[in-house]
Amino acid sequence: GDQVKQSPSALSLQEGTNSALRCNFSIATTTVQWFLQNPRGSLMNLFYLVPGTKENGRLKSTFNSKESYSTLHIRDAQLEDSGTYFCAADLTGNTRKLIFGLGTTLQVQP
Amino acid sequence: EAAVTQSPRNKVAVTGGKVTLSCNQTNNHNNMYWYRQDTGHGLRLIHYSYGAGSTEKGDIPDGYKASRPSQENFSLILELATPSQTSVYFCASGDGGLGDYEQYFGPGTRLTVL
Repeated sequence: GDQVKQSPSALSLQEGTNSALRCNFSIATTTVQWFLQNPRGSLMNLFYLVPGTKENGRLKSTFNSKESYSTLHIRDAQLEDSGTYFCAADLTGNTRKLIFGLGTTLQVQP
Repeated sequence: EAAVTQSPRNKVAVTGGKVTLSCNQTNNHNNMYWYRQDTGHGLRLIHYSYGAGSTEKGDIPDGYKASRPSQENFSLILELATPSQTSVYFCASGDGGLGDYEQYFGPGTRLTVL
């Protein structure tokens, strides 16, 4: 958790609003993955990022390797966006191990 | 979409017993991983493998062994289960080639050691 810090740890949003989640890295990172863990516990892949930006529907994510952070923007939040969002750093080198943050728990309210 | 399956999905074991968690992937990925998820710790890597016959220690390997008998299958073995190993265990596979190392996760196995 110390090498990958997520903020905030918890968040409550009204339906239809926007927000941003952040991930800061204290380790050299080549790629970043974002996941959503749904209430049943399954980990759903959201983004796999090299330095740069990707967008998918109402979600947009950026990975800035020079400043060691990644962000996940949620636009027009919906009830089904509720869950815990994890970012994970893929370390520089050959092991391809993921180091996870502790997650941001998001609750979208009607 | 990658397909990773795990069995069993739920398991209750007794202290000192042997537990084997199984994982299967149908995407011909070279790399497979075992993580555990605990409140306050997130997901942590236990063992991983680069291919059939290979196993490597992750960040928290103590008390666990792993076996990769084939490209598709990767098992996590608890020879002498302890209550501290009560957790949710996730298997993942990755390495789609051409520098794409995205990992795909199975649905998890909830293990309770009494």
